[in-house]
Amino acid sequence: DAGVIQSPRHEVTEMGQEVTLRCKPISGHDYLFWYRQTMMRGLELLIYFNNNVPIDDSGMPEDRFSAKMPNASFSTLKIQPSEPRDSAVYFCASSFSLGGALGYNEQFFGPGTRLTVL
Amino acid sequence: GQNIDQPTEMTATEGAIVQINCTYQTSGFNGLFWYQQHAGEAPTFLSYNVLDGLEEKGRFSSFLSRSKGYSYLLLKELQMKDSASYLCAVRDSQGGKLIFGQGTELSVKP
Repeated sequence: DAGVIQSPRHEVTEMGQEVTLRCKPISGHDYLFWYRQTMMRGLELLIYFNNNVPIDDSGMPEDRFSAKMPNASFSTLKIQPSEPRDSAVYFCASSFSLGGALGYNEQFFGPGTRLTVL
Repeated sequence: GQNIDQPTEMTATEGAIVQINCTYQTSGFNGLFWYQQHAGEAPTFLSYNVLDGLEEKGRFSSFLSRSKGYSYLLLKELQMKDSASYLCAVRDSQGGKLIFGQGTELSVKP
């Protein structure tokens, strides 16, 4: 399996521009997660989907951020307009089910997109 | 509120044993995870605890005490490649959401 695929791997843009990050989860996984990692705040969950439906978007910082999952094999995270404080590494992760009360779902992370907003 | 505490950094010697502690205060609890993250790379899963006690997996073991809101990751026979950040994460009662600590940066010296 190719693992979780993210593109682009690096993005440098100017303040005010629209940024679109892309993710292809592992085939067969029904959960997809978007995280942001910074030195100051660590790894934060932004939003997650189950069977393409957004379940919890409480971590999305503000209306400038939006995420979609049009089908089981593709998701996007969009920032419009981008600001310098959005500079971070954005990870996408996927997992297969939650495994019940005592089970677990190992989340497989993609390589991340390093975003720099100037 | 949600709070997960880990030491910021630790240093240990190759071949030794190191214990990385994690304490948590969360609104719900449905399992605790440990992830390893090498610099510039993605986090990778190490261990999972949902019941009290010790889970052993090769050189790595993880312990959980739910009543104390406490976990630790034990790394034995340290190798240079174990130098990485170790992230403690709690899955809250709502299911999929993982709340991560800031991570502990472990440096293994020769």
